[in-house]
Amino acid sequence: GAVVSQHPSWVICKSGTSVKIECRSLDFQATTMFWYRQFPKQSLMLMATSNEGSKATYEQGVEKDKFLINHASLTLSTLTVTSAHPEDSSFYICSASSRVLETQYFGPGTRLLVL
Amino acid sequence: DAKTTQPNSMESNEEEPVHLPCNHSTISGTDYIHWYRQLPSQGPEYVIHGLTSNVNNRMASLAIAEDRKSSTLILHRATLRDAAVYYCILGRLIYNQGGKLIFGQGTELSVKP
Repeated sequence: GAVVSQHPSWVICKSGTSVKIECRSLDFQATTMFWYRQFPKQSLMLMATSNEGSKATYEQGVEKDKFLINHASLTLSTLTVTSAHPEDSSFYICSASSRVLETQYFGPGTRLLVL
Repeated sequence: DAKTTQPNSMESNEEEPVHLPCNHSTISGTDYIHWYRQLPSQGPEYVIHGLTSNVNNRMASLAIAEDRKSSTLILHRATLRDAAVYYCILGRLIYNQGGKLIFGQGTELSVKP
């Protein structure tokens, strides 16, 4: 099966700082990557869709200037949480797919805690 | 986006089959049916997906109704490691409207020894 990794697996930062999360497809070329956020006891919420070489498409209610997404290569997408605040503390999960795949494969997630 | 309806929770006994139902009455012709499962503090794990025909893989079977308005995920012999939240999601291919998957609340499956 297709493998997707995320780094770091967890991060603690101070309020006001920026945090970058990486998502990599290890054994396939991901033309499209998705970023999700999950709060405790809730389901995954889609934040944005990123296509390689294009600007990300954000879901309604997601601040594009706060959650910067870059998908510069077919195996790497990054999510930067800018000026993080405690309410941004959450479990961030990416997934990857391509035009030749019929489904998405998810990374293991990144736990962010903003103090 | 077409929605799915799943029971909030189900219980099963270890080593017995489990049938997880999913209703998707507004499914369109280009929607695939995807099943994922998620353990606490982990990303969703792919289980199986299908379009029209029943599908089998090493993890599970997917039975799709003839009218495609419902489907059932079948775990043939439940183990304690199968305890998870199971999500049934409709999605289209990447080249057809972007391939977004919108998660519902899923079914929390507990397995009793």
